Amino acid sequence: DVKVTQSSRYLVKRTGEKVFLECVQDMDHENMFWYRQDPGLGLRLIYFSYDVKMKEKGDIPEGYSVSREKKERFSLILESASTNQTSMYLCASSLAGTGSNQPQHFGDGTRLSIL
Amino acid sequence: QKEVEQDPGPLSVPEGAIVSLNCTYSNSAFQYFMWYRQYSRKGPELLMYTYSSGNKEDGRFTAQVDKSSKYISLFIRDSQPSDSATYLCAFMNTGFQKLVFGTGTRLLVSP
Repeated sequence: DVKVTQSSRYLVKRTGEKVFLECVQDMDHENMFWYRQDPGLGLRLIYFSYDVKMKEKGDIPEGYSVSREKKERFSLILESASTNQTSMYLCASSLAGTGSNQPQHFGDGTRLSIL
Repeated sequence: QKEVEQDPGPLSVPEGAIVSLNCTYSNSAFQYFMWYRQYSRKGPELLMYTYSSGNKEDGRFTAQVDKSSKYISLFIRDSQPSDSATYLCAFMNTGFQKLVFGTGTRLLVSP
């Protein structure tokens, strides 16, 4: 079974802090993703990565950055946290398909509150 | 028009009922169709993954895709209280790994 592990289930930070969310997958997946999930808005893609040291902007990258130094680890960074970044953050990974897309597998999320 | 439309519910049914969950979409480039189940305070869990039109069955779950109508469904037979969760439909283009999600339908199965 695919295992995607997010380092924290709940996190409380203050406005202006730099926040790091960590995600590790154990299935040697090439692709990794960061989403945020908000009531009524569903899941929105923040950033994704197809390979080590590679990153692509998703739909809502403003205020965020990412780091992928190792294949199994993908970090989301809130450069200067703001209250509108209070949300559930979900990490996902998928295999790079040969000729077909592969489904994404999710971690259990980090519920982040910015005070 | 939204790219994906999904009724938020809640949909309340008694135990043992057949449940039908649906999504419509507007992007004809979508080729991969998924259903995820999400329990409260947990991440989405992949339930069904299909490519192209037709039906796919897995135990009590059947996924149905009608590309001509741009409509997908998830049927749950003999529903159980443990099926109470939010169900998310999701879509992908060929060659592009980005998922587009519906906002989810909340299902409540009462004993």
